Amino acid sequence: GAGVSQSPSNKVTEKGKDVELRCDPISGHTALYWYRQSLGQGLEFLIYFQGNSAPDKSGLPSDRFSAERTGGSVSTLTIQRTQQEDSAVYLCASSPELLSTMNTEAFFGQGTRLTVV
Amino acid sequence: SQQGEEDPQALSIQEGENATMNCSYKTSINNLQWYRQNSGRGLVHLILIRSNEREKHSGRLRVTLDTSKKSSSLLITASRAADTASYFCATADLYNNNDMRFGAGTRLTVKP
Repeated sequence: GAGVSQSPSNKVTEKGKDVELRCDPISGHTALYWYRQSLGQGLEFLIYFQGNSAPDKSGLPSDRFSAERTGGSVSTLTIQRTQQEDSAVYLCASSPELLSTMNTEAFFGQGTRLTVV
Repeated sequence: SQQGEEDPQALSIQEGENATMNCSYKTSINNLQWYRQNSGRGLVHLILIRSNEREKHSGRLRVTLDTSKKSSSLLITASRAADTASYFCATADLYNNNDMRFGAGTRLTVKP
């Protein structure tokens, strides 16, 4: 596709259930980022991938959160045993190279709105 | 933790007026970017300014960067109702190549 695609767009789940959020980055983008945004707040960095590798997982809020990326393309963010405080919009972004370089911008998906009831 | 901090948190102006938003950050950076977000969903990139640049223009947008003060400003001239959105600054850490950090954003409302 032309842009970053995230699915589902909205997800309502019961407390204690596991959820999987999917991100399809722009084709050829080696860097992929996950952020979380609570209502009215800024973006909280969760994790990034360079290719299939996630060198730093320290941004994940707890060990209930995990992420993987396969084939240098699709990424999945999994939240186990969801809690109400996990309710937020989860945003994925991709970039041709790491955002720390001088000239690269991030392309965002429309996010997944997760509600834990 | 968040890197950039925008102020004001909220700004309300009339159409045709200029809007100025400020951003402060803490670490040494490679670049600073401004993004716009409508309705709490995906962000759209507006402009990137490199650490060795002081000012940049794009249409009605003007961005300044003062690395000595670790601050940046975004000016939107001749604002329109369609400019109503949240605006975020984001910084790429010079010494940490893993992420881009965003501030809490400025909520801009342009009244017609």
